[in-house]
Order: sequence, then C-alpha cells, then structure tokens
Amino acid sequence: QKEVEQDPGPLSVPEGAIVSLNCTYSNSAFQYFMWYRQYSRKGPELLMYTYSSGNKEDGRFTAQVDKSSKYISLFIRDSQPSDSATYLCAMTGGSNYQLIWGAGTKLIIKP
Amino acid sequence: NAGVTQTPKFQVLKTGQSMTLQCAQDMNHNSMYWYRQDPGMGLRLIYYSASEGTTDKGEVPNGYNVSRLNKREFSLRLESAAPSQTSVYFCASTQQGWGEKLFFGSGTQLSVL
Repeated sequence: QKEVEQDPGPLSVPEGAIVSLNCTYSNSAFQYFMWYRQYSRKGPELLMYTYSSGNKEDGRFTAQVDKSSKYISLFIRDSQPSDSATYLCAMTGGSNYQLIWGAGTKLIIKP
Repeated sequence: NAGVTQTPKFQVLKTGQSMTLQCAQDMNHNSMYWYRQDPGMGLRLIYYSASEGTTDKGEVPNGYNVSRLNKREFSLRLESAAPSQTSVYFCASTQQGWGEKLFFGSGTQLSVL
C-alpha cells in the first residue's frame, strides 16, 4: 500500500461546478500538507500549503486537513477551464522527512 | 527572474549511452532536488542536496549520480542509460527543508531506446 493514495481520474466537470479533490495517507507523523498544480508539459507549482489540521482558504481554493481520518481535500469553487490541470498532493513530517507525493488527479473543466 | 532552469528539454538516448541533465536556480536557495515522474507513480525523489557540498540518495537513486557544482547548480548524470530510465525529470529547489515551498523547473523528457 502506498503511503499516499490519490485517485488519478480524470475528473471531468462543467465550468462553474465545485470540485473536490482528495488524498488519503497512512503516516500519522505527517504535519505539512500541500497541493501542487501541474499544467501539461510544465513543472508543478505550489497552490496551497497547510500545517496540521484545519482549513485554509485562498480565493476560489480551500484546503482542508482531517488528521484524525488521515484525509486531505482541495475544493475549487466556480471552476474555470483554466483550472484544467493535474493536481498533486504532497506531505511531510518536516525536519528530515522526505516529501511524499500522491500520483496526481487529472482535472478537466468543460466550458 | 528565471527561477529554476533545466536543460535539455527533450533527449533521446540509446541503451548504454550516458548524459548529464543540467539544473540551475537563481533564487539563492540552499536545497536542490532531482525527481522523476512516471504515469501513475507520482513524483519520486532520485537525489537531493540539502546544502552546497552535500548530496544524499532519495527513493530511487540506482543508475544515477549527482553533482552539486555550487550553490546554483545541481546536475544529474546517467552513466549507462536503460529503457527503465525513460521518464520526465524535474529539478526543484527550496530555501531550506522539506516543509518549504518547492520551485520546479519545466522538466526534461527523456526517452531511452
């Protein structure tokens, strides 16, 4: 079993819909949780960064961490065609822990 | 501000050939990383350099070597390429530590025939 599980998709939704992307993990030592967005033929770029449990909001994006369930989510409100990309979750315990990545979910927003 | 620059962008090798992937960052970051990305596998760490003068193995180091030439540059060498090394390679950098924001280059698409 992988340390971080992420549904690869593709997930296809109409423009304007609310999108929910999720990752589950097994290591209770993880404290830092990140979402990266990767456009086709580009490197990933950091979208959201959360420490420990709780919610964090940035514009149309909300990151949610539930450490008791070992489950993290990224919500995208009012989705746009420009949000079409692969979304990668990543997490670490910090210090000497390596960053552990999900496989990525391909998201397609249909105009 | 260029960020992280990788060269080349594309490369085709024959089995057994060698090559070096170059990476340079202009953000004065301490830590640099080499990842490979394969379909369904996510990003896997090959080697990293926590600071100038140090390098360490990641999850999948076999068949690769690295050199931290100076604070700006971190190269990845394939001594004898194998078809299993066909992948997209990304270089990344951070100011310091695993919990920091990673800045990625645009990748090198490598095919080994």
